[in-house]
Amino acid sequence: AQSVTQLDSQVPVFEEAPVELRCNYSSSVSVYLFWYVQYPNQGLQLLLKYLSGSTLVKGINGFEAEFNKSQTSFHLRKPSVHISDTAEYFCAVSVPNNAGNMLTFGGGTRLMVKP
Amino acid sequence: KAGVTQTPRYLIKTRGQQVTLSCSPISGHRSVSWYQQTPGQGLQFLFEYFSETQRNKGNFPGRFSGRQFSNSRSEMNVSTLELGDSALYLCASSLGQGTTNEKLFFGSGTQLSVL
Repeated sequence: AQSVTQLDSQVPVFEEAPVELRCNYSSSVSVYLFWYVQYPNQGLQLLLKYLSGSTLVKGINGFEAEFNKSQTSFHLRKPSVHISDTAEYFCAVSVPNNAGNMLTFGGGTRLMVKP
Repeated sequence: KAGVTQTPRYLIKTRGQQVTLSCSPISGHRSVSWYQQTPGQGLQFLFEYFSETQRNKGNFPGRFSGRQFSNSRSEMNVSTLELGDSALYLCASSLGQGTTNEKLFFGSGTQLSVL
């Protein structure tokens, strides 16, 4: 079975500051990795995903994430945040070669951007 | 294209009752997944349907069931409601190509409160 740990439940940061949201996973097999964002009163929206290849993945809204196999991590970064980035961020994994969609999510990190 | 539509947006039920939630996927999407989101347990996978067949199932009791219709619309049912079933129920759709790296498109969810 797979598991995902998001090390910080809340991350407060000032506007225009850089931010890193941490994600570690555990799996006995290779996984696909995802970051989703949930704005208040909305569903989740895909930010980016890592399937294979380059370990640095760029997503929407200026976010990027780096896959580190040896540390089983997939941390999300943004060099300069905006008030509008205030949301909850979820890291998730799925297992290749399984039919269909089944994501295992981390507990989420609430990013709070302050003016 | 219209997004994923979930109805109703809010539901209040009492213990022991049963409830049916509805999800209309994006046009052309054939896979529909359901997730339960609670503050304590986070996001947990319930089940996935593809071409009217359940393709994957999470670790939930048999009180939770679902189905998919020929137009890909899906319903989930929870019988004999318990207080712990209070949650935001999210539906996600995707093309359903059988891989586990598909982008999921989430609806805004149905907020179920069990009194």
